[in-house]
Amino acid sequence: AQKVTQAQTEISVVEKEDVTLDCVYETRDTTYYLFWYKQPPSGELVFLIRRNSFDEQNEISGRYSWNFQKSTSSFNFTITASQVVDSAVYFCALSVWSGAGSYQLTFGKGTKLSVIP
Amino acid sequence: DARVTQTPRHKVTEMGQEVTMRCQPILGHNTVFWYRQTMMQGLELLAYFRNRAPLDDSGMPKDRFSAEMPDATLATLKIQPSEPRDSAVYFCASGFAFGTNQPQHFGDGTRLSIL
Repeated sequence: AQKVTQAQTEISVVEKEDVTLDCVYETRDTTYYLFWYKQPPSGELVFLIRRNSFDEQNEISGRYSWNFQKSTSSFNFTITASQVVDSAVYFCALSVWSGAGSYQLTFGKGTKLSVIP
Repeated sequence: DARVTQTPRHKVTEMGQEVTMRCQPILGHNTVFWYRQTMMQGLELLAYFRNRAPLDDSGMPKDRFSAEMPDATLATLKIQPSEPRDSAVYFCASGFAFGTNQPQHFGDGTRLSIL
């Protein structure tokens, strides 16, 4: 069975601080995919990034960066110079082949980030 | 940008009533997923379809929930009869079954309140 753990339930930072959101996953599959989604207060789920299990290269996109480490089964997300608009719930998700004909997402419980002006 | 469209955005109804939620997946996507989000359970997968065929609905209470895809442009999730514990946000998502690096794209959700 797959499992995603986001140990941080809520985080508060002051604007312009850097913040890292932790994600630890469990799976026996050797091929899998990792995602981060953002859910702002308006409620929609917005895709941020995907990573496959064979690509451990870290990625930077503007103020966002992701650190994927298979050795520790972690896929952490860092926001640099946080802004109030970054306030949202962030979900880490794991996708594996379901055996029934599709990739199935398992979500963590989410981390609520509050950026204080 | 192509989007997954869900209707209605909000629904308030009394216990025992039938509720139907609709989803229009992104054109060309061949998989559709239904999720339920609650404070206690987080995001749970209820059911999903590939090429309109139901693949797995083990996450759904079978006695009252049903999911269908009458055609490639419409997926429905029905609850009959509804109960207060069904109150949640229901998300539809679409994607590619074999697009291994493709994300699921989510609709804005239906916020359901059963009184």
